[in-house]
Amino acid sequence: ETGVTQSPTHLIKTRGQQVTLRCSSQSGHNTVSWYQQALGQGPQFIFQYYREEENGRGNFPPRFSGLQFPNYSSELNVNALELDDSALYLCASSYPGEEKLFFGSGTQLSVL
Amino acid sequence: AQSVTQLDSHVSVSEGTPVLLRCNYSSSYSPSLFWYVQHPNKGLQLLLKYTSAATLVKGINGFEAEFKKSETSFHLTKPSAHMSDAAEYFCVVSITGGGNKLTFGTGTQLKVEL
Repeated sequence: ETGVTQSPTHLIKTRGQQVTLRCSSQSGHNTVSWYQQALGQGPQFIFQYYREEENGRGNFPPRFSGLQFPNYSSELNVNALELDDSALYLCASSYPGEEKLFFGSGTQLSVL
Repeated sequence: AQSVTQLDSHVSVSEGTPVLLRCNYSSSYSPSLFWYVQHPNKGLQLLLKYTSAATLVKGINGFEAEFKKSETSFHLTKPSAHMSDAAEYFCVVSITGGGNKLTFGTGTQLKVEL
């Protein structure tokens, strides 16, 4: 067990809709990252949050946004869903300054 | 820019035989290199990491990897495969001191047969 939980585990949305994915990290993990893993691919870095501020972003458009809360939970929001957004979304957290990430099991998002 | 290339998308071995999963990296800076494993319906798990302390890195479950700067490689090995090793394996690079922004390879699916 990594101590990182994600919800929901599966989600089906329609193109154009908005979605919120949730992650709960271990106490003390004030750095959280989100990754998108398309079918048959490796995870791709979306963005990272540290102390509730965005601290780095990958090559993803602004319709991907996030929030981090003081209670070590976080959200990934995606607006105007597109078919290509269908993927496994992974949350990963860590202690400050440590490279070891603890990954959740992910949310499988299907956009129809 | 940094990147990793996993040379095999699928590897199949017999139980009890050695495992070799190949990875080459590219990085303009001193890299940190990792191997992660992903079992179905489970989160990614760190197998081992290289951060310049020693070129031969030992990880969990009998896996190890050797950093070879001259070959820009970081291959993952295990002397004897077990059925439970069947999973997807990812070679990963990050810039040392660059926080936790990881760049993943495309993965190698390891199949272990009886």
